[in-house]
Amino acid sequence: GENVEQHPSTLSVQEGDSAVIKCTYSDSASNYFPWYKQELGKRPQLIIDIRSNVGEKKDQRIAVTLNKTAKHFSLHITETQPEDSAVYFCAARTNYGGSQGNLIFGKGTKLSVKP
Amino acid sequence: DAGITQSPRHKVTETGTPVTLRCHQTENHRYMYWYRQDPGHGLRLIHYSYGVKDTDKGEVSDGYSVSRSKTEDFLLTLESATSSQTSVYFCAISADNYGYTFGSGTRLTVV
Repeated sequence: GENVEQHPSTLSVQEGDSAVIKCTYSDSASNYFPWYKQELGKRPQLIIDIRSNVGEKKDQRIAVTLNKTAKHFSLHITETQPEDSAVYFCAARTNYGGSQGNLIFGKGTKLSVKP
Repeated sequence: DAGITQSPRHKVTETGTPVTLRCHQTENHRYMYWYRQDPGHGLRLIHYSYGVKDTDKGEVSDGYSVSRSKTEDFLLTLESATSSQTSVYFCAISADNYGYTFGSGTRLTVV
């Protein structure tokens, strides 16, 4: 089955710097790659996603890139702010199972943005 | 809020007792999912549903069962709770098996 690995597990940056989180996946048939942000004690919330027919997607200060050949995708946050501090999860959607699959998540990256 | 409600929000139960968690949605979405979240493990899929009475196993389904008798409700049952099932349980919904919306979670403690 699909396996998603996420690095680093913790990341500390200064306010205004950029942050990059990387994920690799194992199943070349996976076709959808979302990123979730989870603040302490809250539910995970979708912040950006990308489908396998697209190489890059941007939304203001965040962007995601996908390299299908290497089976990895990355989250880029520019001009970080203290409110970006949270745990970030990547995921890949499998292409097997009932009604074609579900999301398998990485283990998360705890991002701390220091003022 | 997000059209998805989990109940109860917190529960403490004893080892060996059955426990049922409820996920209720008002979005009429086809897909519903149960995940558990543990430190160092991220979010792991327990079971999911792709329609009424249509369910499938996830990564960590042992010791859990689910039922979906109507579109809006997805129940997760721990047949005989064990301490290893102490966790935060999240339900999620999706219209098309793409962007998932998560509920607020249920914190379950098995003593």
